[in-house]
Amino acid sequence: GAVVSQHPSWVICKSGTSVKIECRSLDFQATTMFWYRQFPKQSLMLMATSNEGSKATYEQGVEKDKFLINHASLTLSTLTVTSAHPEDSSFYICSAIDLTRAQYFGPGTRLLVL
Amino acid sequence: EDQVTQSPEALRLQEGESSSLNCSYTVSGLRGLFWYRQDPGKGPEFLFTLYSAGEEKEKERLKATLTKKESFLHITAPKPEDSATYLCAVQAASGNQFYFGTGTSLTVIP
Repeated sequence: GAVVSQHPSWVICKSGTSVKIECRSLDFQATTMFWYRQFPKQSLMLMATSNEGSKATYEQGVEKDKFLINHASLTLSTLTVTSAHPEDSSFYICSAIDLTRAQYFGPGTRLLVL
Repeated sequence: EDQVTQSPEALRLQEGESSSLNCSYTVSGLRGLFWYRQDPGKGPEFLFTLYSAGEEKEKERLKATLTKKESFLHITAPKPEDSATYLCAVQAASGNQFYFGTGTSLTVIP
């Protein structure tokens, strides 16, 4: 089946620094990728839709300047959390859509901002 | 308004005790309904895609069914390793966006 990877799997950073998370579709091309955030014992919260070659579409309430998304190629999207603060600590999950329009998820990245 | 509701919120079963999870949805044109399994601290794992009412899919102890209003995930003779949160998502025909339910947390007791 389709495989999506994320890197890093976990990261600890100081408040005020920026963190980049990579999402790759390993065995298929994805024109669309999604970025989600998940709080403990809660369902996925869609942050933005990442489209290859164009600007990301952000959900209401998600700061574009804080969560920078770049879909540089058909297999790579990156999420940069700029000037991270403790409230940004969360589990970030990406997903990619394959040609059948099925959605496959990455393993997630746990971010802890001190 | 497109939405997805899952029930129950949590379910505890004895090993071998079969049961069903429900996913009710309202969407303006269904492109597909997806079931995922999520273990703590991991991304959701794809289980099934259902596209039209009457469709059924099976994988080991799991069977997913679909009607025009809801989907069921049947678990036959569950084992402790089936313990996880099961998520349902609906994709509308109008676009790429997926609508997720809040999940059912399943615990299978040995």
